[in-house]
Amino acid sequence: GAVVSQHPSRVICKSGTSVKIECRSLDFQATTMFWYRQFPKQSLMLMATSNEGSKATYEQGVEKDKFLINHASLTLSTLTVTSAHPEDSSFYICSATPQDTEAFFGQGTRLTVV
Amino acid sequence: AQKITQTQPGMFVQEKEAVTLDCTYDTSDPSYGLFWYKQPSSGEMIFLIYQGSYDQQNATEGRYSLNFQKARKSANLVISASQLGDSAMYFCAMTPWGAGGTSYGKLTFGQGTILTVHP
Repeated sequence: GAVVSQHPSRVICKSGTSVKIECRSLDFQATTMFWYRQFPKQSLMLMATSNEGSKATYEQGVEKDKFLINHASLTLSTLTVTSAHPEDSSFYICSATPQDTEAFFGQGTRLTVV
Repeated sequence: AQKITQTQPGMFVQEKEAVTLDCTYDTSDPSYGLFWYKQPSSGEMIFLIYQGSYDQQNATEGRYSLNFQKARKSANLVISASQLGDSAMYFCAMTPWGAGGTSYGKLTFGQGTILTVHP
């Protein structure tokens, strides 16, 4: 199957700092990628749709100024959590879809804000 | 809007037995895709099986089969011959279909079911 690589897998940062998470499609081009957030033992909630070359589309209730998304190339989308606070601690995971197949997910990033 | 409901927070099964994980859905989209993913404790999302809304036959993938009942809006996952490595969280998900390949990515997930396989 297709490969989506997400980096870093774990990050601990101090409150008030920003953290960047990368999502790469390694063997296919992805004009669209998706970012999800997951709290422990809960469902994945879609945060935003990352669109190559244009602005991301955010789901209702997601602060676009806090969660900055950039999709500068057909293989890379980045999620930056700005001015992180402890309540932003969560598991963030991206996905991308080769044409006409199921979604492939990155390994996820476990963010802890202290 | 789409909604997925998984009513079983946790399920237990004996090794080598079969288990059914329930999933019901609600959507106004005329065509859609239904998926099951497995999430081990590592967090990765592993695709298991897919069912299209217009598929006449139930999907099967090795030990996994999907019991699709369109009229009841249910898409239960059946795992046969359970193995210890099947212990994980299982998610049912759906996406509207018909808008091109990008539709597959925007998934709505159920709450998940934690499956524990006992030796």
